[in-house]
Amino acid sequence: KQEVTQIPAALSVPEGENLVLNCSFTDSAIYNLQWFRQDPGKGLTSLLLIQSSQREQTSGRLNASLDKSSGRSTLYIAASQPGDSATYLCAVTGNQFYFGTGTSLTVIP
Amino acid sequence: DAGVIQSPRHEVTEMGQEVTLRCKPISGHDYLFWYRQTMMRGLELLIYFNNNVPIDDSGMPEDRFSAKMPNASFSTLKIQPSEPRDSAVYFCASSPGHEAFFGQGTRLTVV
Repeated sequence: KQEVTQIPAALSVPEGENLVLNCSFTDSAIYNLQWFRQDPGKGLTSLLLIQSSQREQTSGRLNASLDKSSGRSTLYIAASQPGDSATYLCAVTGNQFYFGTGTSLTVIP
Repeated sequence: DAGVIQSPRHEVTEMGQEVTLRCKPISGHDYLFWYRQTMMRGLELLIYFNNNVPIDDSGMPEDRFSAKMPNASFSTLKIQPSEPRDSAVYFCASSPGHEAFFGQGTRLTVV
């Protein structure tokens, strides 16, 4: 069974810092990897989707990379802002979606 | 498209009562998923459908839980009888294949 791990579980940084969130998975036979953002009391909003044939995707200040062979993905956030404070989850797609437990990010003004 | 629509957004019920959660997936999506999210256990997959047919219900906690998808535009998750430990946020998600789109969730409180 696919196991997805996210480290760290929580992260606090001052505004303006660049940061990296990590996601690892045990089975490299995946279709896609998707990064989500969840604000308190809200649903999951898709940030980036990386197909298995791709190495990375970018959207604004966000850049996600994928290394299937090592079972790792990273989400890079440049010039962090207080509005980036949320929980970030990664999900890998096989026969279903397998989610990590998320990283809770706090950006301090 | 308006996205995945769930109702109600909030539900408070007494222990022993029947609860029905509803989901309207994005039109054209062949897959529909029901998840439960708690602080302790994170996101748990309860059941998913492909073309209205249940494919994997191994995550349904017990016989008190049931899910149906009578057509491509509607699904329900029913809990009967409800218990306090069922209190959680329940999410519905739909997918055209390998990308998930989530609804805003139903926050269920069983007192």
